[in-house]
Amino acid sequence: GAGVSQSPSNKVTEKGKDVELRCDPISGHTALYWYRQSLGQGLEFLIYFQGNSAPDKSGLPSDRFSAERTGGSVSTLTIQRTQQEDSAVYLCASSSRPGLAASTDTQYFGPGTRLTVL
Amino acid sequence: QKEVEQDPGPLSVPEGAIVSLNCTYSNSAFQYFMWYRQYSRKGPELLMYTYSSGNKEDGRFTAQVDKSSKYISLFIRDSQPSDSATYLCAMGGVGGATNKLIFGTGTLLAVQP
Repeated sequence: GAGVSQSPSNKVTEKGKDVELRCDPISGHTALYWYRQSLGQGLEFLIYFQGNSAPDKSGLPSDRFSAERTGGSVSTLTIQRTQQEDSAVYLCASSSRPGLAASTDTQYFGPGTRLTVL
Repeated sequence: QKEVEQDPGPLSVPEGAIVSLNCTYSNSAFQYFMWYRQYSRKGPELLMYTYSSGNKEDGRFTAQVDKSSKYISLFIRDSQPSDSATYLCAMGGVGGATNKLIFGTGTLLAVQP
C-alpha cells in the first residue's frame, strides 16, 4: 500500500517568509510525528499527534513553528518568519496505534522535505 | 549528556566485512529498541526491532540489546555496497502506551566494493 508522502520534496525560501510543509500519513494510522534532521544531527522530535488527543508540542523550537492535523489524517507544519537556522530536512512519520508491542506499531517515515532558507 | 549516544562515523569497510554499529543510552526505562536504515535523501526505514534484552537475527543482520549495560548493537555480516547508508538507533516504550522514540545521531557506513 501507499506509504507516508510529503510535499514539497524541496523548498527554497527567503529569510522572513512563511512556509508550509505537508504530510499524508499511511491510511488508518492514528499517530503522526514531525521531526527535523539537520546536517550531521539526529532526528530532532518536533510534535506528535495521537488520535483526538491534544498534540505533544514539546519539541517545537520556537513559537514560529506550529502544526495542524485535519480530520485525523493530513498534517501541515508551518514555519513563520523563516530563519537560516531553520534549513534542514523535515521528516514526517506515522504509526498505527499507541504503544510499541509489535514492530508494525513503530514509525514509518516519509521521504522528507528539504528546506533551504536563503 | 544526550539520552542516546551514537558514534557518527563515517565507518568505511571492504565488501564482505562484518560491521558492528553501537549505541549507548542513559534511560533504563527504555523497553523497545530499533535500528533504522536511511539512504541518502530518503526517509529512515525500520530494519530491526527488539524488545528488552537479547538477540534477534534477520538474514545478515543481528541486533543485540544489553539492558544491564545500556548498550545496543547491530551487526551486519557479509556487508555489501548496497548496505552503504546511515544507520540510526532508536529507543522507546517509556511511560506506557506511546510510540515516542528517541533517536541516535546515526552512523554513516560506506561499504567499498
